[in-house]
Amino acid sequence: QQQVKQSPQSLIVQKGGISIINCAYENTAFDYFPWYQQFPGKGPALLIAIRPDVSEKKEGRFTISFNKSAKQFSLHIMDSQPGDSATYFCAASNFNKFYFGSGTKLNVKP
Amino acid sequence: DVKVTQSSRYLVKRTGEKVFLECVQDMDHENMFWYRQDPGLGLRLIYFSYDVKMKEKGDIPEGYSVSREKKERFSLILESASTNQTSMYLCASSFSGYGYTFGSGTRLTVV
Repeated sequence: QQQVKQSPQSLIVQKGGISIINCAYENTAFDYFPWYQQFPGKGPALLIAIRPDVSEKKEGRFTISFNKSAKQFSLHIMDSQPGDSATYFCAASNFNKFYFGSGTKLNVKP
Repeated sequence: DVKVTQSSRYLVKRTGEKVFLECVQDMDHENMFWYRQDPGLGLRLIYFSYDVKMKEKGDIPEGYSVSREKKERFSLILESASTNQTSMYLCASSFSGYGYTFGSGTRLTVV
């Protein structure tokens, strides 16, 4: 069964808007929640990550919000730019083994 | 920067061939992983290794095997390639407790 569920599958946002991607998990043993960004023809690259002892982490225009009780976490991209157009994967891990969401293809229109 | 290098970007192989995908990392990571990526299915774990000569099955190991003779190198082997193994293959490595570093991927087509 899918350990991490990600939505939406695709997202179109206007330049300057906020992109929001959501993920949910079931296994309460997960202790590390990264987001990866993948451009066409490239491998995924670590974008930002959070551990369950904090509810929010911000790095530049990228923010992870984490809700431990709901077992949900989300990626917010503020002031979205065309260069942010990529596929985004959430993941969750424990004991070094990662489980990935199915991915969200983001298209930021100029 | 950590580098994970996959030997081939594109491969075309025939059904029934034995296929080797090579992955090398240069940062002394103990953990290495092989995933395949398919549209709508995300990344699925094939095999992983936490140490030299050690291997563990992931979620979809059928039809694959791996080899880790040296810490920096992790090879994925398709024993007898089939068309349903046409996919993007991604290698990753990590230190324990930290995120992965991925290679650029090998797009394999089996005809």
